Amino acid sequence: AQSVTQLGSHVSVSEGALVLLRCNYSSSVPPYLFWYVQYPNQGLQLLLKYTTGATLVKGINGFEAEFKKSETSFHLTKPSAHMSDAAEYFCAVVGGADGLTFGKGTHLIIQP
Amino acid sequence: GAGVSQSPRYKVAKRGQDVALRCDPISGHVSLFWYQQALGQGPEFLTYFQNEAQLDKSGLPSDRFFAERPEGSVSTLKIQRTQQEDSAVYLCASSPPSGGWGGSTDTQYFGPGTRLTVL
Repeated sequence: AQSVTQLGSHVSVSEGALVLLRCNYSSSVPPYLFWYVQYPNQGLQLLLKYTTGATLVKGINGFEAEFKKSETSFHLTKPSAHMSDAAEYFCAVVGGADGLTFGKGTHLIIQP
Repeated sequence: GAGVSQSPRYKVAKRGQDVALRCDPISGHVSLFWYQQALGQGPEFLTYFQNEAQLDKSGLPSDRFFAERPEGSVSTLKIQRTQQEDSAVYLCASSPPSGGWGGSTDTQYFGPGTRLTVL
């Protein structure tokens, strides 16, 4: 069984500041990990994913995430926030052939 | 380009009515998933198809929920005798065939969802 915990239902940063969205997972098998972004009234869009290999994964829109097995974490970062980054972000894990298990989401607010 | 489409985008039903939600996946995508997203929550897995075969329906909350994909393309999620707790956004996702495990280890492409409100 898999589970995902996203710390902080809301995160507020200033435009140009570092974005850090936290995700911890549990999985009974080697995990595949995903970050998705959801804009209002739209479907989820994949930002990046970790399968195997390099633990630092780069995604779209300047986001990246690092898989840390020892910490069971997959935190999402972006060096400089932009107003267009305001959205809901979901971390997800899968360990088998069933569906993705999502966290509850983090609402990212960008202050001008 | 054509992504995953869902219809209707919004559906209002009276309690006790039956509803049918449609998903058109990306052409050629083998795997299809349904998720339920309650307000303020992350999506929760309902069911998974590989072509026309329903390989996992462990997430369906009750026997009032039924999904089908008879020709391995379009899928329909049907909810019978709707209840207020069924109010949610229903998301459909599809993924292409790949050399991986298949299923949800591959990138899923999501549709915009159908927002169901049960009065």
